[in-house]
Amino acid sequence: NAGVTQTPKFRVLKTGQSMTLLCAQDMNHEYMYWYRQDPGMGLRLIHYSVGEGTTAKGEVPDGYNVSRLKKQNFLLGLESAAPSQTSVYFCASSRFPTSASYNEQFFGPGTRLTVL
Amino acid sequence: AQTVTQSQPEMSVQEAETVTLSCTYDTSESDYYLFWYKQPPSRQMILVIRQEAYKQQNATENRFSVNFQKAAKSFSLKISDSQLGDAAMYFCAYRSRDSNYQLIWGAGTKLIIKP
Repeated sequence: NAGVTQTPKFRVLKTGQSMTLLCAQDMNHEYMYWYRQDPGMGLRLIHYSVGEGTTAKGEVPDGYNVSRLKKQNFLLGLESAAPSQTSVYFCASSRFPTSASYNEQFFGPGTRLTVL
Repeated sequence: AQTVTQSQPEMSVQEAETVTLSCTYDTSESDYYLFWYKQPPSRQMILVIRQEAYKQQNATENRFSVNFQKAAKSFSLKISDSQLGDAAMYFCAYRSRDSNYQLIWGAGTKLIIKP
C-alpha cells in the first residue's frame, strides 16, 4: 500500500496563476482533508470531505476550492495564487469513526508551494 | 474554541538521555483525544502516541510515554533513551470526541539530539 500520496512535491507559481494539487489514498478511507503548514504554526485545516461528492470548509478556506469526484482522490485548487498562499500543503485521510475507532489521520508527504 | 499551546519552540537533549516536551490545551469539553505527531526533515507527519481523555492511565509506546494531567489540561511527551532518529518537529494535537475531522494543532517543538 502506498498510503497517502501527493502530486506534485514542489511547485513555484507566479501571482495570479492557477494550479491543482492532487491527493490520492489507497486505504479506502471515507474522510479526506487538506491542511496548510506555515512556519511557527501548527497545521490548519483548509477543506475536508466526509465522502465521495461531498466537501466542506475548514478553518482557512478562502482562496481554495476542492473536489472529491472519486473516493480515493481529493483535489485542492488555487484559482488565482497569491504570495500569502506560499506554504506546505498536506493531505490526510481517515476511516469513518466508530465507537471503537478514534479515526487516526494518515498524512501524505506534503507539497511545498511557493508563490512569487 | 479549543486551543493547543506548545511553549517550547526548541529543545535539545544528549543522545541516550530523557527529554520531556510540554503541551497544554484549553477546552470546555470532557471527552476528547490528544495526540503527539512527529515530523522529521522528510516532512512526513507520523503519529507517535495518543491518549483518550476518559482513560486515566498514561499511554506508552516503547520509548515514548505521556503524562496526561486532565485537570491541569496538560499533555507532555517523554522520550527515553533519546536516539539520533528522534530529531524532528513534534506537534501536539487535540480532537473532540464529537468531531469527526477537526484536529487542533500546537505550533510545534523542534527537538535536537546531540551525539
